[in-house]
Amino acid sequence: ELKVEQNPLFLSMQEGKNYTIYCNYSTTSDRLYWYRQDPGKSLESLFVLLSNGAVKQEGRLMASLDTKARLSTLHITAAVHDLSATYFCAVANTNAGKSTFGDGTTLTVKP
Amino acid sequence: DAGVIQSPRHEVTEMGQEVTLRCKPISGHDYLFWYRQTMMRGLELLIYFNNNVPIDDSGMPEDRFSAKMPNASFSTLKIQPSEPRDSAVYFCASSFRHGGTGELFFGEGSRLTVL
Repeated sequence: ELKVEQNPLFLSMQEGKNYTIYCNYSTTSDRLYWYRQDPGKSLESLFVLLSNGAVKQEGRLMASLDTKARLSTLHITAAVHDLSATYFCAVANTNAGKSTFGDGTTLTVKP
Repeated sequence: DAGVIQSPRHEVTEMGQEVTLRCKPISGHDYLFWYRQTMMRGLELLIYFNNNVPIDDSGMPEDRFSAKMPNASFSTLKIQPSEPRDSAVYFCASSFRHGGTGELFFGEGSRLTVL
């Protein structure tokens, strides 16, 4: 059974600081996704990582995938308040059509 | 495309009443998922369909819950009878997996309150 672990689950940062969210998963997969959820809103796709060594960047967020280590990271550079949200990683089940979600990391960026 | 469309956006009902939530996926997507989100249990996958066929309903909490997908553009999640512990936000999502990236596109959600 595929298990996905995110850490930390809660993260409070000062504006301007850097930090990394980690997503570990237990079995082989070829697809990993990052989603963002603002309070009271739905989830929206941030990044799709489809191969080992894949790196995607948008603004102050950068996601990477190491399939050998079964690890993805979401790096936040010079955080701003607008990045406050809950971030989920999700790993595609190779033999099924679904993805398994981590528990989410709730990020609060303080001025 | 308008994205995944869910209705109603908000529903308040009394215990024992039937609740029907509706979802229109993105045209051309081959998978449809129903999730439930609460503070206590987080995001839970209830059931998913591939080409209108239910594939895995192991997340459906009990027999009071049922889901159908009569065609590629419509799905329903029904709760009968509803209970206060069913209060949650229910999300529908669709994806294009075979030939696509498989990323999920979520609807805005249906917030259910059972009194």
